[in-house]
Amino acid sequence: KAGVTQTPRYLIKTRGQQVTLSCSPISGHRSVSWYQQTPGQGLQFLFEYFSETQRNKGNFPGRFSGRQFSNSRSEMNVSTLELGDSALYLCASSLQVGGTGELFFGEGSRLTVL
Amino acid sequence: AQTVTQSQPEMSVQEAETVTLSCTYDTSESDYYLFWYKQPPSRQMILVIRQEAYKQQNATENRFSVNFQKAAKSFSLKISDSQLGDAAMYFCAYRRSPIIQGAQKLVFGQGTRLTINP
Repeated sequence: KAGVTQTPRYLIKTRGQQVTLSCSPISGHRSVSWYQQTPGQGLQFLFEYFSETQRNKGNFPGRFSGRQFSNSRSEMNVSTLELGDSALYLCASSLQVGGTGELFFGEGSRLTVL
Repeated sequence: AQTVTQSQPEMSVQEAETVTLSCTYDTSESDYYLFWYKQPPSRQMILVIRQEAYKQQNATENRFSVNFQKAAKSFSLKISDSQLGDAAMYFCAYRRSPIIQGAQKLVFGQGTRLTINP
């Protein structure tokens, strides 16, 4: 079974641009969540989607948005990029409802903002 | 809001020795889950071990075990017979329970970088 796939793996943008990151969850997983990882702030929760609906949102500005499609694939978008948005963006998927809901992570998308 | 604290930014251990990573958390809830995740240099986060707060018995997975002290809000990870492949960043994480639709947010500690010396 394929794991969580994130694309692109690496990207470089300049301030003011926007970026879209993609996440394909493990087959059968309907919940997708996103995390930002930086050396200074560590791992911070961005948002979570289930059945194409945002169920939970972290404390990030409105420049950060996301969506989920009917096949559970998810995208996140960051508009008007700032230098501080440089980070590793991790996507995680899980089965929903019941169990311990272990999160399975992708390898991440490394964003550098110049 | 829940918080997770890992007070050891870096730890090192000799191969085949035992090492313990510390984690404390703060919550007002009585039911929750705790996790240890490992992030090797390849960056993919992997679950090492989980603990349900309602279970008194400490979780064990092969060479990995936890010491869960609910009253003290402490959740340490013990790695026995350390191997070179154990070198990684280790994150302690908290999640609320019961599981409800959508409530899968993990609160992470800052991480502990573990080095294994051959």
